[in-house]
Amino acid sequence: GIQVEQSPPDLILQEGANSTLRCNFSDSVNNLQWFHQNPWGQLINLFYIPSGTKQNGRLSATTVATERYSLLYISSSQTTDSGVYFCAVGHNTDKLIFGTGTRLQVFP
Amino acid sequence: NAGVTQTPKFRVLKTGQSMTLLCAQDMNHEYMYWYRQDPGMGLRLIHYSVGEGTTAKGEVPDGYNVSRLKKQNFLLGLESAAPSQTSVYFCASNHMDRAGANVLTFGAGSRLTVL
Repeated sequence: GIQVEQSPPDLILQEGANSTLRCNFSDSVNNLQWFHQNPWGQLINLFYIPSGTKQNGRLSATTVATERYSLLYISSSQTTDSGVYFCAVGHNTDKLIFGTGTRLQVFP
Repeated sequence: NAGVTQTPKFRVLKTGQSMTLLCAQDMNHEYMYWYRQDPGMGLRLIHYSVGEGTTAKGEVPDGYNVSRLKKQNFLLGLESAAPSQTSVYFCASNHMDRAGANVLTFGAGSRLTVL
């Protein structure tokens, strides 16, 4: 099956700093989504980005499908950005396989 | 529009007991999924369904059964609970929005402890 690796596993930042989270996957996919799990456990969809670049406020994501990786950029981080960021990959709407996540802590 | 609703939110079982987790969605989505989340392991897919009356195995299906008798409901059953099934269970449904994007929407989770 598809293997998904995320790095770094942990990230500690001060408010205002920028960060880049990476997701590598082992096979071609046509479905890639990024999620944020807040400290209360809620999972929120951030991006659907099987290829190309998208931006939403301070967050942006880029997927290079031919090289099998995706990047999530967080600019001017805030304490509310804390939590775990997951990428999930798959084919169409079938099995979406999750990575183990990047735990982000943002301190004031 | 409540989205994806899971019941119960918390449950404690003894080894060998059975139980059913219910997932309900009111968005008319075809695809529904059950994941479990354990510390340090991300989310792992247990079973999924591509429509009413269909189910398929995910990454970790052993010890679980599912049913999708109605489109809006996806049930996850544990016939004989084991301590290894202590976890947080998430249900999700998937749809394609107007822009052609796949969007996976999660419920709030169900925390299960097996003693």
